[in-house]
Amino acid sequence: AQSVAQPEDQVNVAEGNPLTVKCTYSVSGNPYLFWYVQYPNRGLQFLLKYITGDNLVKGSYGFEAEFNKSQTSFHLKKPSALVSDSALYFCAVRDGTNAGKSTFGDGTTLTVKP
Amino acid sequence: DTGVSQDPRHKITKRGQNVTFRCDPISEHNRLYWYRQTLGQGPEFLTYFQNEAQLEKSRLLSDRFSAERPKGSFSTLEIQRTEQGDSAMYLCASSLTGVKSGANVLTFGAGSRLTVL
Repeated sequence: AQSVAQPEDQVNVAEGNPLTVKCTYSVSGNPYLFWYVQYPNRGLQFLLKYITGDNLVKGSYGFEAEFNKSQTSFHLKKPSALVSDSALYFCAVRDGTNAGKSTFGDGTTLTVKP
Repeated sequence: DTGVSQDPRHKITKRGQNVTFRCDPISEHNRLYWYRQTLGQGPEFLTYFQNEAQLEKSRLLSDRFSAERPKGSFSTLEIQRTEQGDSAMYLCASSLTGVKSGANVLTFGAGSRLTVL
């Protein structure tokens, strides 16, 4: 079985400060890891993914995430937060050694205050 | 391509009625997924297709739920004898398999919101 934990329901940061949204995962095969974002009244949108290669992956809107195999983590980061980054963020994992579903965490609400 | 389309966007029904949702994926995507999302939760996997073959169905899914993708293009999700606990947002997503840069990424539709009275 595969699972994702997002330990924080809510993250609050001030505009211009760095932000981190945490994610840990469990999967039996090779992890394919994803971050998606959901803005109010809009569908889920892809941000970035780790499949293989460099542990630091860069994605849309200046976001990046670091894959840490020993800690089974894939935390989302951004050096300088914007008010417009306020949204609901979901981490997801897929077992890359067999074709199948992605399993999502329960999401973290990011609020960036001016 | 206009992305993933879902219809209807909203459905209100009475308990015991049947409902059907339709999803039109991105045309070149061979995989199609159905998820369910309730408030405060992440998307919960229901089932997925590769082309017309249904490859996996969640064990949490009761026999009242059925999905089809008859020609490997659009898909339908039917819920029979709806219950109040079925009230949720039903999300469709599609993806490519393989090693291209966009492969394995889910593109979601806007969802179909079901309210069972």
